[in-house]
Amino acid sequence: QSALTQPPSASGSPGQSLTISCTGTSSDVGGYNYVSWYQQRPGEAPKLMIYEVHKRPSGVPDRFSGSKSGNRASLTVSGLQAEDEADYYCSSYAGSNNFHVVFGGGTKLTVL
Amino acid sequence: EVQLVESGGGLVQPGRSLRLSCAASGFTFDDSAMHWVRQGPGKGLEWVSGISWGGGNIGYADSVKGRFTISRDNAKNSLYLQLNSLRAEDTALYYCAKGLPGNAYSLGYWGQGTLVTVSS
Repeated sequence: QSALTQPPSASGSPGQSLTISCTGTSSDVGGYNYVSWYQQRPGEAPKLMIYEVHKRPSGVPDRFSGSKSGNRASLTVSGLQAEDEADYYCSSYAGSNNFHVVFGGGTKLTVL
Repeated sequence: EVQLVESGGGLVQPGRSLRLSCAASGFTFDDSAMHWVRQGPGKGLEWVSGISWGGGNIGYADSVKGRFTISRDNAKNSLYLQLNSLRAEDTALYYCAKGLPGNAYSLGYWGQGTLVTVSS
């Protein structure tokens, strides 16, 4: 039950595009299309941004997109805005016969 | 409007127990998978435990297996987490979260959390 691997930090200028990676194994990210991404601003609860690899909940801007290749998932933020500055966490289903979810360590996104 | 309100946190000595509750409203509780996720001070998110809509499917993180027990009362629209044999490393903000319809593993709604501090 190891955590998924994310870079601790990422940064970009307003208007730029930025991609955050999330690396797991064939037992989690690579084995299922249940990868999610969450945004957490300081002092707030996490907010679901992407689910099932690439789907966006209602209200999430289409500047946010998700993808997956093998054991690696990615979150891309296009047209960076100051309000995108936050911590981002990936997660994945990780159990073939029980209820199990694993999170990544989180990436702090800074908008320069 | 979906609401998840956690309660039951507090200061507790190592080795003691605590029971967290999560009161749910604004959605059909017994149709939803539910989870507990925690966040230590200055740390990332850690999934703690999850339970299917009917309670028949349950999972725990290795770090809490054998010490924590998740349960739900669909008649009371409530989720619980029994924390036994608490350790200093269990100190965290504990969030209650709701799975999406048709996808138990994506957490679409979160409460504001209840703080558990384990210290002598």
